[in-house]
Amino acid sequence: EAGVAQSPRYKIIEKRQSVAFWCNPISGHATLYWYQQILGQGPKLLIQFQNNGVVDDSQLPKDRFSAERLKGVDSTLKIQPAKLEDSAVYLCASSLQIGGGASEQYFGPGTRLTVT
Amino acid sequence: AQRVTQPEKLLSVFKGAPVELKCNYSYSGSPELFWYVQYSRQRLQLLLRHISRESIKGFTADLNKGETSFHLKKPFAQEEDSAMYYCALKNLGGSARQLTFGSGTQLTVLP
Repeated sequence: EAGVAQSPRYKIIEKRQSVAFWCNPISGHATLYWYQQILGQGPKLLIQFQNNGVVDDSQLPKDRFSAERLKGVDSTLKIQPAKLEDSAVYLCASSLQIGGGASEQYFGPGTRLTVT
Repeated sequence: AQRVTQPEKLLSVFKGAPVELKCNYSYSGSPELFWYVQYSRQRLQLLLRHISRESIKGFTADLNKGETSFHLKKPFAQEEDSAMYYCALKNLGGSARQLTFGSGTQLTVLP
């Protein structure tokens, strides 16, 4: 089966600019996650969707980050305006369900963002 | 708050030697623990989960609730085991059930 797709793979922007990332989860996966992974750290959950509803966005910096999953399939994550500390790899993951045996998360290749 | 600690950033062993990657966690409830692995130029992927109690690629991990640890072990390391390993914890309470990752250990198996 096709895996989680993300684009772009790399992005370089200047601080105060805007950027958007796109994620296409595995077909049929109801749950979608966005993670931020800063160099030398593990992934940190930013937001979690169940279909097109937000389940958890407690760690999303809402003053500059936004995410949507309008039709319960693809998702976009936006940063506006970007700061230097936003430089990281942004990972998208999906799972069939949140809990139980179908909760294994499958990760995309990530988008490496560099803010200069 | 839940937390996962991997005390070793880097770990090197020789091929055929035993390897143990340490993971300690703090969580007040009943957690589910996982090990994820990322090989060079590949995606992050699940290696094993404690509830399955299985051995994957020769790796095993036992949840020790008394010591709040979930160390990953392999008796004889192979060069293809070289990768980044992340320990992760999922809280089983609430609707979100989010994963919390440790900072990772880079394992290098030397020939």
